[in-house]
Amino acid sequence: AQRVTQPEKLLSVFKGAPVELKCNYSYSGSPELFWYVQYSRQRLQLLLRHISRESIKGFTADLNKGETSFHLKKPFAQEEDSAMYYCALSGPGGSEKLVFGKGTKLTVNP
Amino acid sequence: NAGVTQTPKFQVLKTGQSMTLQCAQDMNHNSMYWYRQDPGMGLRLIYYSASEGTTDKGEVPNGYNVSRLNKREFSLRLESAAPSQTSVYFCASSTSGQETQYFGPGTRLLVL
Repeated sequence: AQRVTQPEKLLSVFKGAPVELKCNYSYSGSPELFWYVQYSRQRLQLLLRHISRESIKGFTADLNKGETSFHLKKPFAQEEDSAMYYCALSGPGGSEKLVFGKGTKLTVNP
Repeated sequence: NAGVTQTPKFQVLKTGQSMTLQCAQDMNHNSMYWYRQDPGMGLRLIYYSASEGTTDKGEVPNGYNVSRLNKREFSLRLESAAPSQTSVYFCASSTSGQETQYFGPGTRLLVL
């Protein structure tokens, strides 16, 4: 069964510090992985996805198939990065559903 | 483009009342979804529709019904609301299951 685990409910860092939000997944094939972000009082939006290999707002995420992880990283956190972050997985081959992790609330302190 | 819109933004119901949450998208997407968001539980899929005319259950479908009225609109109905259905409800759409989902602003529902 598909499963996404985000082990940290809350993560607090200081401005300028590196940040890593962890995501581990369980899937027997080759999944498509996403990070979604929800800023305060805003709708969820895509931050980045594995297949595009982009760096968005300074964030990157690398798929590690051996460790079944897709951790989100940023070398220097900013206060505006404070938000709720969700890791999500979609299986290939016609799967119509995204499976979301429970989310990590990131707080970047001044 | 408005993207994904939802109505109402906020609703208070009494236990046993019914209501329909409306969702519409103007991006010509095939797939549409309904989620609920609860503290500590993340996003859980209630129902989804892979294309016009089809609907399927998600993780937490009990107590809900859906209608894919046309390609643009996907409604969620609570026939007899319960306090456990107090939540924030999000609608989303995408071109297909593997593609980026675009979310609506959410509906906050309080069931007393």
